[in-house]
Amino acid sequence: AQKVTQAQTEISVVEKEDVTLDCVYETRDTTYYLFWYKQPPSGELVFLIRRNSFDEQNEISGRYSWNFQKSTSSFNFTITASQVVDSAVYFCALSEGGQGAQKLVFGQGTRLTINP
Amino acid sequence: KAGVTQTPRYLIKTRGQQVTLSCSPISGHRSVSWYQQTPGQGLQFLFEYFSETQRNKGNFPGRFSGRQFSNSRSEMNVSTLELGDSALYLCASSRRGDREQFFGPGTRLTVL
Repeated sequence: AQKVTQAQTEISVVEKEDVTLDCVYETRDTTYYLFWYKQPPSGELVFLIRRNSFDEQNEISGRYSWNFQKSTSSFNFTITASQVVDSAVYFCALSEGGQGAQKLVFGQGTRLTINP
Repeated sequence: KAGVTQTPRYLIKTRGQQVTLSCSPISGHRSVSWYQQTPGQGLQFLFEYFSETQRNKGNFPGRFSGRQFSNSRSEMNVSTLELGDSALYLCASSRRGDREQFFGPGTRLTVL
């Protein structure tokens, strides 16, 4: 069975600090996809990134970076120089290949608060 | 390009009633998935539709059903509402074959 664990329920930091959100996943599939979504108070889930299981390259997009390590089944998300606008709930998600590709399994989410 | 739209945004019902929620995907997206979000259970997959056919289903009772129309718009129905059905219901669309799903703002359902 697939499972995503976000052990950090809540994180609170002061603006401009760097913060890392942890994500650990479980799957028996050799082909799978990992995602991060952001949910601001408005409720809409905003897509941030997708990684394929066969591509372990880390990615950087502005202040955001992602570290994918298959050896530890982790897909961590780092925000550098955090800003108040980064405050939201962040979800890590997993989907398998093939027929189940559109079914996302989500972690419980990490509520990130950036204090001015 | 317009995003995923969901109607209504808020809904209040009483136990035993039924409810229908609507989702219009992004233009060109033919796959629509539904998710339920509650404080206790988090985000859970309900079902996915593509080409008017249910392709995948989550672990929910038969009271939860859905359908998709030829224009890719989708509806989900919950019959005999229970208090535990109070949740944010999110719809997501994607192009079949693409892994990214784009979510709508959700319908917040309150069952009294």
